[in-house]
Amino acid sequence: KNEVEQSPQNLTAQEGEFITINCSYSVGISALHWLQQHPGGGIVSLFMLSSGKKKHGRLIATINIQEKHSSLHITASHPRDSAVYICAVRSRGNEKLTFGTGTRLTIIP
Amino acid sequence: NAGVTQTPKFQVLKTGQSMTLQCAQDMNHNSMYWYRQDPGMGLRLIYYSASEGTTDKGEVPNGYNVSRLNKREFSLRLESAAPSQTSVYFCASTLSGGNNEQFFGPGTRLTVL
Repeated sequence: KNEVEQSPQNLTAQEGEFITINCSYSVGISALHWLQQHPGGGIVSLFMLSSGKKKHGRLIATINIQEKHSSLHITASHPRDSAVYICAVRSRGNEKLTFGTGTRLTIIP
Repeated sequence: NAGVTQTPKFQVLKTGQSMTLQCAQDMNHNSMYWYRQDPGMGLRLIYYSASEGTTDKGEVPNGYNVSRLNKREFSLRLESAAPSQTSVYFCASTLSGGNNEQFFGPGTRLTVL
């Protein structure tokens, strides 16, 4: 079992829909990251969180430490949100990140 | 600020050839990382450098060497390229550790024939 599991692997939705991407992990962590990788390949950091919830524009990230689970939500989705969304965790006492395999999101106009 | 830069963007090698991938950051970050990304797999850490003058192996270090030349630059060397090293390589940097945002370079697409 991978340390970081994401679901779904692929998601296609209509423009305007509310999107949820899930991330589960199996180790104690000190931080969880959500990243976005656009079709051109570039990777940008969206959120880093260790508890609670963070919001940036139409994106919301939540984490439940007890359940070892995080969700990334996109409200009023738009075709420009089409990308691969990657979850990564830093386990306690570790310098390094462990990455999920990503969720490919496609938003249809 | 250029952020994290990588060169080259694309490279084709023959088996057995050597090459060095260059990475530089201008954000005064302490930690730098080299990852590879393969289809169907998450980013995997090859090597990292927690600070200038130190390097450590990651998950998949075999076939690679690294040099932290100074605080800005972290290079990845393939001494004798193999087809299994065909991948997209990303360099990243962060202020320190995993509790800070990581900034990624644009990637190098390497094909080994």
